[in-house]
Amino acid sequence: SQTIHQWPATLVQPVGSPLSLECTVEGTSNPNLYWYRQAAGRGLQLLFYSVGIGQISSEVPQNLSASRPQDRQFILSSKKLLLSDSGFYLCAWSRSTGYGYTFGSGTRLTVV
Amino acid sequence: AQSVTQLDSHVSVSEGTPVLLRCNYSSSYSPSLFWYVQHPNKGLQLLLKYTSAATLVKGINGFEAEFKKSETSFHLTKPSAHMSDAAEYFCVVSRPSGGSYIPTFGRGTSLIVHP
Repeated sequence: SQTIHQWPATLVQPVGSPLSLECTVEGTSNPNLYWYRQAAGRGLQLLFYSVGIGQISSEVPQNLSASRPQDRQFILSSKKLLLSDSGFYLCAWSRSTGYGYTFGSGTRLTVV
Repeated sequence: AQSVTQLDSHVSVSEGTPVLLRCNYSSSYSPSLFWYVQHPNKGLQLLLKYTSAATLVKGINGFEAEFKKSETSFHLTKPSAHMSDAAEYFCVVSRPSGGSYIPTFGRGTSLIVHP
């Protein structure tokens, strides 16, 4: 069966520090991968998606970047965090058919 | 272009009474539609999905939704609410883009269940 792992679960970082959140998928190959951010009291905002290794599409220009160094690994990064980067970050995967998305358990990021 | 509108930010019901969470969508394509549930500080769990098969879709935990093309709606219902149903619910429409299918989320509906 397929599983998705996301870590860390919680993170407190000072303004201006770097960020690296990692997401890995097991039990499938060539998944579509997604990073979402959920700010307090809001819905989910799609940040990046990837259909293959090295292929990253950005939905919203911002302080963050994403990379896909391996087929089942998706990394969300920032060189310098802003206060506005605080939120709940969710990684997800789907098959190329798009029939359903499976989410990781999320990372609660607080920038102080 | 596509969008999804969840008509209520909060819905409050008593335990044992019916639940109705409303969702309207717009899409340039034949849409795939989903409902997800999120409990506090947790990831999202798929409740059910519509992918152009039967218009009445049954999901987990007694939830179901009906796709009505003429009304561009995909409302989520449950005959009898349980306390454990209290959570945030998201309606999602999916569109094809660049070799993938990109989901667009509604802003969510918070379901409150009173004893």
